[in-house]
Amino acid sequence: GESVGLHLPTLSVQEGDNSIINCAYSNSASDYFIWYKQESGKGPQFIIDIRSNMDKRQGQRVTVLLNKTVKHLSLQIAATQPGDSAVYFCAENKFGERGSNYKLTFGKGTLLTVNP
Amino acid sequence: GAVVSQHPSRVICKSGTSVKIECRSLDFQATTMFWYRQFPKQSLMLMATSNEGSKATYEQGVEKDKFLINHASLTLSTLTVTSAHPEDSSFYICSARPSGVFKETQYFGPGTRLLVL
Repeated sequence: GESVGLHLPTLSVQEGDNSIINCAYSNSASDYFIWYKQESGKGPQFIIDIRSNMDKRQGQRVTVLLNKTVKHLSLQIAATQPGDSAVYFCAENKFGERGSNYKLTFGKGTLLTVNP
Repeated sequence: GAVVSQHPSRVICKSGTSVKIECRSLDFQATTMFWYRQFPKQSLMLMATSNEGSKATYEQGVEKDKFLINHASLTLSTLTVTSAHPEDSSFYICSARPSGVFKETQYFGPGTRLLVL
């Protein structure tokens, strides 16, 4: 079936360290992936995205890596800060079965805790 | 820009009553809006896709007669949970896709916490 999943449900790091959050997807036809950050009681916040014709994309302190061979996605956060503590979701964007609507499928999420 | 609001932010209701949640795109028009449900410590699950001026498309397993969706304008979609029961208690999140732009982009609202007693 089609699914997006995560290897690590929780991740605890020290402030200043780099964090790596992983995600596996099963639909090889997916062509667009997004990482979201969700703080407690809030909606998802866009972090970074990547299309399938790329294998790396960098933002401010964040990097997303895409390995299509093994269908793996990762989010790297440099110099992790206490404000980065949140749940991180990867999402797969796929064409809707019934027409032209693109639908997001979210992974299970990883709780990142940054220790001061 | 690209702000999505939800109202109310949290609501408590009695079992058997109906609750309406509003989702508004504040600074853009959205032909398509999405409604998600998120239970504690779980991921977001898409409930339905709301298209302005037409019927919503519901995901498998979501009762369309229980979760009524109305998308009457390009900036407003509403989700009504009819005859709510305790098992409907959840975090409801909407997102909006701007009209006429890169069609994979979605902007999320802050969510509505529903507690049914």
